[in-house]
Amino acid sequence: EAQVTQNPRYLITVTGKKLTVTCSQNMNHEYMSWYRQDPGLGLRQIYYSMNVEVTDKGDVPEGYKVSRKEKRNFPLILESPSPNQTSLYFCASSTYSGPDNEQFFGPGTRLTVL
Amino acid sequence: DQQVKQNSPSLSVQEGRISILNCDYTNSMFDYFLWYKKYPAEGPTFLISISSIKDKNEDGRFTVFLNKSAKHLSLHIVPSQPGDSAVYFCAETSGSRLTFGEGTQLTVNP
Repeated sequence: EAQVTQNPRYLITVTGKKLTVTCSQNMNHEYMSWYRQDPGLGLRQIYYSMNVEVTDKGDVPEGYKVSRKEKRNFPLILESPSPNQTSLYFCASSTYSGPDNEQFFGPGTRLTVL
Repeated sequence: DQQVKQNSPSLSVQEGRISILNCDYTNSMFDYFLWYKKYPAEGPTFLISISSIKDKNEDGRFTVFLNKSAKHLSLHIVPSQPGDSAVYFCAETSGSRLTFGEGTQLTVNP
């Protein structure tokens, strides 16, 4: 089944404790991206990757890191999480054959930073 | 500053009637607009798109209209069904970037 998976689905952590949210897709997509969803703000792009070893900042990259060592994986790293990073996070992927490409989203990771 | 705005946080309609969801934008250099639907505890799923060179795109019960002079687009759902109850996001693409609006919660009452 074609899908984007994220782990964990739920995470409660404390300020400053490094964490990684994994994202994996099995559709051989070149493009992957991370978003956060906050009430009243919609989904905001954190980072995206056009292909292996190619990453770029989105609209809200501060406090986050990403890497793209393999095509299928695009982990999101919070080196020192803070309470303002409490949010619902989505990973997405797509082929990149044009700007109208629909993105396929994972189920989301709800992160709480105390 | 929000480039894509959905000014109605919620909309409630009766089953069988038309649902109209609206979206305003500021960037005239976009490539496409897309609509996504999101159910609770799931990721958004693609619904329909429209190119910047068109003013209408239709797919079954869903039609998107683009008014470039007013920088406004709308999604029409006819007839609305209870299963359409979800949060709807409009999103603008420009190159490899995707910018979402705040979302509108649609509730279709039986």
